Amino acid sequence: AQSVTQLGSHVSVSEGALVLLRCNYSSSVPPYLFWYVQYPNQGLQLLLKYTSAATLVKGINGFEAEFKKSETSFHLTKPSAHMSDAAEYFCAVSGRPSGTYKYIFGTGTRLKVLA
Amino acid sequence: NAGVTQTPKFQVLKTGQSMTLQCAQDMNHNSMYWYRQDPGMGLRLIYYSASEGTTDKGEVPNGYNVSRLNKREFSLRLESAAPSQTSVYFCATTLQGNTEAFFGQGTRLTVV
Repeated sequence: AQSVTQLGSHVSVSEGALVLLRCNYSSSVPPYLFWYVQYPNQGLQLLLKYTSAATLVKGINGFEAEFKKSETSFHLTKPSAHMSDAAEYFCAVSGRPSGTYKYIFGTGTRLKVLA
Repeated sequence: NAGVTQTPKFQVLKTGQSMTLQCAQDMNHNSMYWYRQDPGMGLRLIYYSASEGTTDKGEVPNGYNVSRLNKREFSLRLESAAPSQTSVYFCATTLQGNTEAFFGQGTRLTVV
């Protein structure tokens, strides 16, 4: 079975501070991992994805994530938070344990950026 | 190009009524998905279709049925709506199951 666990449903950081959003995954097959962002009343859009080419993945808007197989983690970071980063962030895993790919999302982390 | 289009955007149903949520994509993607989003629970997969002609259950399929009408369209049906099905429903597509997902704008459904 595949799953993702996002630690912390709400995270607050000051503007200019480091952003760290945590994601741990479980998968019986090599996973494809993703981070998505959702702004209010909108659908989700892709921030970055891991597809086994490189363990450190750079995405849009200055975000990056590192795949650590030994820790089954794929945490999202950004060195300096901006007010426009306030949104909800979702980690997702896709794999093919039983023939077809299943795309599973975590419960989300709402990021608040304080002025 | 419209991308992924969901209809309707808003709907209010009475308990026991039925309805179909429509999803159409013009991206020539193979896989399509239906999710529901509830506060604190993230997006939960209801059903998915890896390719035209196939459908599979996701995490929360009870109370729903789906039809992959053709490559472009994937509909979600509620046969007898219940208040527990009040949610925001998202359709998504991927070229293949391990690539970027593209989402529709969502359908906000309220069952009273």
